[in-house]
Amino acid sequence: AQSVAQPEDQVNVAEGNPLTVKCTYSVSGNPYLFWYVQYPNRGLQFLLKYITGDNLVKGSYGFEAEFNKSQTSFHLKKPSALVSDSALYFCAVPMNRDDKIIFGKGTRLHILP
Amino acid sequence: EAGVVQSPRYKIIEKKQPVAFWCNPISGHNTLYWYLQNLGQGPELLIRYENEEAVDDSQLPKDRFSAERLKGVDSTLKIQPAELGDSAVYLCASSLAGDTLYEQYFGPGTRLTVT
Repeated sequence: AQSVAQPEDQVNVAEGNPLTVKCTYSVSGNPYLFWYVQYPNRGLQFLLKYITGDNLVKGSYGFEAEFNKSQTSFHLKKPSALVSDSALYFCAVPMNRDDKIIFGKGTRLHILP
Repeated sequence: EAGVVQSPRYKIIEKKQPVAFWCNPISGHNTLYWYLQNLGQGPELLIRYENEEAVDDSQLPKDRFSAERLKGVDSTLKIQPAELGDSAVYLCASSLAGDTLYEQYFGPGTRLTVT
């Protein structure tokens, strides 16, 4: 079955430092992979997705994610963190192309001023 | 462009009472989803609609939960009777189509507390 794992419940990063939020996946076939962000009292927002092509995917708010097939990972990254990046981040994978999306349990990112 | 609208934003009810949540998706989005999100967890799909048709309701507890999407636009999710374990955030999302190539747009959610 398709699944994603987010090994860290919480990540703390100082403002201005690079950040990484980890995600590993288990899928059959070629994976589609997503990152969503949830700000306090707001709905989830799409950040970026990997379908095919370049392993480095660029998304909203300066975020990017690197697809690594050998390590089955899709880590979310940003070169310089902002306090406003503090939120809950979810990695996700669809069961099939036209099927439901399975979300990871989420990683809470705290950017310290 | 207006996003996905949900109401109410918060609801507190006593157990065994009924409750209903309403969702208005983004205009033109054929696919509508209802998710349940427990504290500290990712969203879990309850039901997915393609226009008026519920194409995936395998995770919907049909003994107490029901949903409808009349005319293929707005949708209502109902719980009757509510149980303590139903306390969660109920999220509505929409997309242009059910293909996951299309992004899902989420509403702010309804936080339900059952006492």
